[in-house]
Amino acid sequence: SQQGEEDPQALSIQEGENATMNCSYKTSINNLQWYRQNSGRGLVHLILIRSNEREKHSGRLRVTLDTSKKSSSLLITASRAADTASYFCATGGPDGTASKLTFGTGTRLQVTL
Amino acid sequence: DTAVSQTPKYLVTQMGNDKSIKCEQNLGHDTMYWYKQDSKKFLKIMFSYNNKELIINETVPNRFSPKSPDKAHLNLHINSLELGDSAVYFCASTMGGILGGARWFFGPGTRLTVL
Repeated sequence: SQQGEEDPQALSIQEGENATMNCSYKTSINNLQWYRQNSGRGLVHLILIRSNEREKHSGRLRVTLDTSKKSSSLLITASRAADTASYFCATGGPDGTASKLTFGTGTRLQVTL
Repeated sequence: DTAVSQTPKYLVTQMGNDKSIKCEQNLGHDTMYWYKQDSKKFLKIMFSYNNKELIINETVPNRFSPKSPDKAHLNLHINSLELGDSAVYFCASTMGGILGGARWFFGPGTRLTVL
């Protein structure tokens, strides 16, 4: 079964606005990663946050992690048309298990001019 | 340079046929994976190999047989293809280990269509 549920399923905003996507997961994790997938393409790693971190930044991206609520959020600031893609959160298994990523259901982001 | 490559990019075939998808990574990673993405964009892990050894097999029908001839390659052979096998198959690699937590790299995907 899918580990993560993402919210919203789809998001449409105008260029320049901020986009926030949320991810909730069910079991304890070692790390959480966010990926982008452009239509018909592969997945591109955006950012990784470890279970002992609360916030991380990379350029226009800001990721938060709340392990007590088993949730994470991805904020894209000053969005651009090129940010149009599907965004997935993926959780790395708990300590002591074989490493694998379990993906959420994804958020489809549409940025219009 | 392509970090994780897959061939072919598109594969259209008839039900009942046997086909293979190949994956290669030039990153020196020791762990490779196959994921399946269905029409609803759900990504589900199928197999994982670490140093050529199978470490994850997620209840995949035995018509699917992965093979890892060396650490840089992980191929997927599918026997007796069925309509439900139509999906996009992604190969991925990372430096593994028990705790994971390293960055992953994904291939461009192979879109398999079974007619």
